[in-house]
Order: sequence, then structure tokens, then C-alpha cells
Amino acid sequence: AQTVTQSQPEMSVQEAETVTLSCTYDTSENNYYLFWYKQPPSRQMILVIRQEAYKQQNATENRFSVNFQKAAKSFSLKISDSQLGDTAMYFCAFMTGETSGSRLTFGEGTQLTVNP
Amino acid sequence: SQTIHQWPATLVQPVGSPLSLECTVEGTSNPNLYWYRQAAGRGLQLLFYSVGIGQISSEVPQNLSASRPQDRQFILSSKKLLLSDSGFYLCAWSGGGVREKLFFGSGTQLSVL
Repeated sequence: AQTVTQSQPEMSVQEAETVTLSCTYDTSENNYYLFWYKQPPSRQMILVIRQEAYKQQNATENRFSVNFQKAAKSFSLKISDSQLGDTAMYFCAFMTGETSGSRLTFGEGTQLTVNP
Repeated sequence: SQTIHQWPATLVQPVGSPLSLECTVEGTSNPNLYWYRQAAGRGLQLLFYSVGIGQISSEVPQNLSASRPQDRQFILSSKKLLLSDSGFYLCAWSGGGVREKLFFGSGTQLSVL
């Protein structure tokens, strides 16, 4: 079974600064996907960024980037130039590379607060 | 474009009453469909998923059941609610050749009293 661990229940950062959220996972699979989802106070789940395990290049989406260390099974999220709207719960998630019925396994989340 | 509808947004039910939450997807065909539950301040737990009409897989034994009577309709049900069924329920779908991307509905906050 796959597990996802987020060791930081809460984090805070000043507006315009950079923050890194940590995530580790455990799997015996070789083909899988990793995700970061954002859940603002509205509770809507929003996909922030996705990484395919077979790609060595770290994914980036504007101010969001990841540091994917496959051997260490680590997948951290870096948010640059933090904005007040980045305040949310952030979930790391894992999915195997099955073509059907793929299940998304979530970590327990990190509550990020961006302070003005 | 694809959209997912989930209702109601909020529901308060007495213990022992039945439950029916509905989720529908528009703009796609043969999606994978999922029901997740989120306890307060916690991560999401997968309850059920479906890869086709009438095909339901359960991830955890519980008081709930799911059905998929139509291609783009996913229903979460219970015959008798328990206090422990309280939580935030999210429906999600994936498909269109990119099945690893899940798109979530807006959720239902269920309070069982």
C-alpha cells in the first residue's frame, strides 16, 4: 500500500517570500504520479502541480515548482513570491500509473498562512 | 468544457436517517468517478471509485454504499446514518485520456446529529 506523509501540519510565510512544503511517500511501484492540491477556505480542491515519476525534470507552474527526489521518495513544493491568496491547506497526493481505476492517496495536509 | 456538479452543499441529518448525495459530470463520457471523505482538518480518504456503469469498488468497509446508474452519475447512499458519517464529502472525476488528473466537485458538508 502507498502512504504519503506531510510532516508539517502548519507553516507561515511573509508575503513575497519563498516557502517550501515537504512531502515523502512510500511505494514499491516504479510508474506513478505525484500531485500537490490546494484547498482554500472555500474547500474547493484545486490542482496546483503534477509530476510524472518517469520524468527527471522537476515540474513548474508559474510561481510553483517541485523538488522531486525519486530515490529519496521526496516531493516538496516551493512557492515563490508568496501571495495572500496562497493561504490554504496544501495536500500532497500519489497515484499509481494504472490506466483504469487509479486511486489518489492523500497526505494529511499542511496549512499554509501567508502574512501581509 | 467539462463540469462536475455535486449537491447539496450542506446537509444536516438525524442519526438513523437515510442519505443520498448525487454527483453528475458534464462534457465527457466514460469518466472514472470517485467519492472521497474529509474529516475536519484532515486529508481525503477514498471511499468508492467507479470505472463504468454499475462498476463500484469500495476502499473501506463502512456504513455507506455507492451506485452508478448512468455513465456520468455517481450516488453515495446510506440506509441509516451514524454520527461517524459526519464529514465533508467530495466527488471527483478523471478521464478524457488523462486519467491521472482528478477534478473535484464543490463538496457536501454532512452533519449527522
